[in-house]
Amino acid sequence: NAGVTQTPKFQVLKTGQSMTLQCAQDMNHNSMYWYRQDPGMGLRLIYYSASEGTTDKGEVPNGYNVSRLNKREFSLRLESAAPSQTSVYFCASSELAGAHYEQYFGPGTRLTVT
Amino acid sequence: TQLLEQSPQFLSIQEGENLTVYCNSSSVFSSLQWYRQEPGEGPVLLVTVVTGGEVKKLKRLTFQFGDARKDSSLHITAAQPGDTGLYLCAGRNYGGSQGNLIFGKGTKLSVKP
Repeated sequence: NAGVTQTPKFQVLKTGQSMTLQCAQDMNHNSMYWYRQDPGMGLRLIYYSASEGTTDKGEVPNGYNVSRLNKREFSLRLESAAPSQTSVYFCASSELAGAHYEQYFGPGTRLTVT
Repeated sequence: TQLLEQSPQFLSIQEGENLTVYCNSSSVFSSLQWYRQEPGEGPVLLVTVVTGGEVKKLKRLTFQFGDARKDSSLHITAAQPGDTGLYLCAGRNYGGSQGNLIFGKGTKLSVKP
């Protein structure tokens, strides 16, 4: 039982390049999330997927797209990377636990855009 | 926009000391969670508090949810170097999208041996 896995762990991109961050969970959770974490800014929600087949914007969606490929997998795509997207990206999943959603996080992807 | 303010932002203490970190908001939350994040890792859930005035204990950690469900505190007794990390509070508001949390910016704790 691996929990939430993310690939790659590290990535360096040049401005304008594109890439896809992959996330998978093996806990049979319905909901999945993408966050970015910047120094002094905490965790900010980029996109989420409440269930397979649905996606919605979070607090900071500009410059990103997502795909909920199936119940297990939720990917985040940067079409044209910008230095402002240098950050640590976390994927998370959750299921209703005692009437409150408890989120499980992956180990993160550290992205640098030069 | 709902905000969760955490204080202090940084805390450096010696092993064996006690400490309290705070999480405050002007908004009411249906529940509040505390996470701990170690360097290079994702946040890990420590506890969820649900009822106003609720107190939960996890070994040397004591969590309290305010009576009005707008604030919470985390108290650590006899801190150890293994407690070092970033402590994040996260609240779920009434009527919000299911599972969506609002995170505070965190308290970075360093416990020196």
